[in-house]
Amino acid sequence: SQKIEQNSEALNIQEGKTATLTCNYTNYSPAYLQWYRQDPGRGPVFLLLIRENEKEKRKERLKVTFDTTLKQSLFHITASQPADSATYLCAPGGSSASKIIFGSGTRLSIRP
Amino acid sequence: SQTIHQWPATLVQPVGSPLSLECTVEGTSNPNLYWYRQAAGRGLQLLFYSVGIGQISSEVPQNLSASRPQDRQFILSSKKLLLSDSGFYLCAWRKGNGVYGYTFGSGTRLTVV
Repeated sequence: SQKIEQNSEALNIQEGKTATLTCNYTNYSPAYLQWYRQDPGRGPVFLLLIRENEKEKRKERLKVTFDTTLKQSLFHITASQPADSATYLCAPGGSSASKIIFGSGTRLSIRP
Repeated sequence: SQTIHQWPATLVQPVGSPLSLECTVEGTSNPNLYWYRQAAGRGLQLLFYSVGIGQISSEVPQNLSASRPQDRQFILSSKKLLLSDSGFYLCAWRKGNGVYGYTFGSGTRLTVV
């Protein structure tokens, strides 16, 4: 069955450093992959989408890579700030655009 | 601009009681609609999705059901709630054609007692 793995342990980063989160998937070949941010008690917020033919996507301090050979996506936040503290979810999407499955998320904590 | 409304924000229901959660989207037409559930400290579990009026796909067999009586209305229901139905329920939408990010509602925190 399709499986998405994100680091279940919280990631603690010093303010100003680059935070890197990992998303690995198995047993399918997504045509695209999305990243979301979720704050406690709130719904996820869409951040970035990267397609299988794109190696890298950037948006302000965010950067996402997509390696279909490794079946992995990396999510980077440069110059991290305490306000970046949240849970980040990856969501690979298949050829059917009707639905995507979410990973369980990685909790990121940026300390001042 | 598009907006998504989900209510109620919080709900406490006794075991065996019925459930109805409603979600509506404004400012778009023919959206794909989704119901997710998130248990405490867990990931999002897809429950139902719909690509059109009356079209419902179920991802997880359980005592919940969904309906889409209008293009921009999505309803999650149960005839008899179980304790295990407690969780954070999220409605989401995305454009019907192509690949787009999801927009989520603010969620309903359901506690079954």
